[in-house]
Amino acid sequence: AQKITQTQPGMFVQEKEAVTLDCTYDTSDPSYGLFWYKQPSSGEMIFLIYQGSYDQQNATEGRYSLNFQKARKSANLVISASQLGDSAMYFCAMREGPSGGYNKLIFGAGTRLAVHP
Amino acid sequence: NAGVMQNPRHLVRRRGQEARLRCSPMKGHSHVYWYRQLPEEGLKFMVYLQKENIIDESGMPKERFSAEFPKEGPSILRIQQVVRGDSAAYFCASSPPAGLAGSNQETQYFGPGTRLLVL
Repeated sequence: AQKITQTQPGMFVQEKEAVTLDCTYDTSDPSYGLFWYKQPSSGEMIFLIYQGSYDQQNATEGRYSLNFQKARKSANLVISASQLGDSAMYFCAMREGPSGGYNKLIFGAGTRLAVHP
Repeated sequence: NAGVMQNPRHLVRRRGQEARLRCSPMKGHSHVYWYRQLPEEGLKFMVYLQKENIIDESGMPKERFSAEFPKEGPSILRIQQVVRGDSAAYFCASSPPAGLAGSNQETQYFGPGTRLLVL
């Protein structure tokens, strides 16, 4: 079974608009972490945002926020005020088990975002 | 503070040759992870190492692939007798040990990747 599901292979958004990229996950471990990474066409993996399973508040980092709905097992990424430079692949990833050492990540298949001027 | 460094960035090999991919983690980081990304796919975990120890190699193919992280020097991912199916981007990531001041232990920081092409 898929541990991380990104149901949107591609998305497009108008510049300056907000966009939500979906991510659902599957785990029976009460302790886990959720990550979003950006991969531009140049290929590197850029860390965007992290949410721990016990965090009470949704994570935010600048224009990025994570809409964490634990009961629904979803961790959607919201990008506000989209910029042309946001065009890239976006990957959702999960770490199972407690923090403190073993951080093997399981990745989704990714969503390709295109920002139009 | 330099990020995770990988070299070479691009590597071309003919079938049957060996490929050696190097990864230098961020300063102070003692955990190294290798991932493989096939075209148009997400990253797949291969192996997790700490200094001089392989902790989890559950994602490594049983044959031809090996990894090490010696006490001194970079981590090496070695692929012997490469085949066309080994063509992929190989990413290394590092994370800090518990208690490293100023660091987020949760986050893995990725290198730029090595693109391996097997002809």
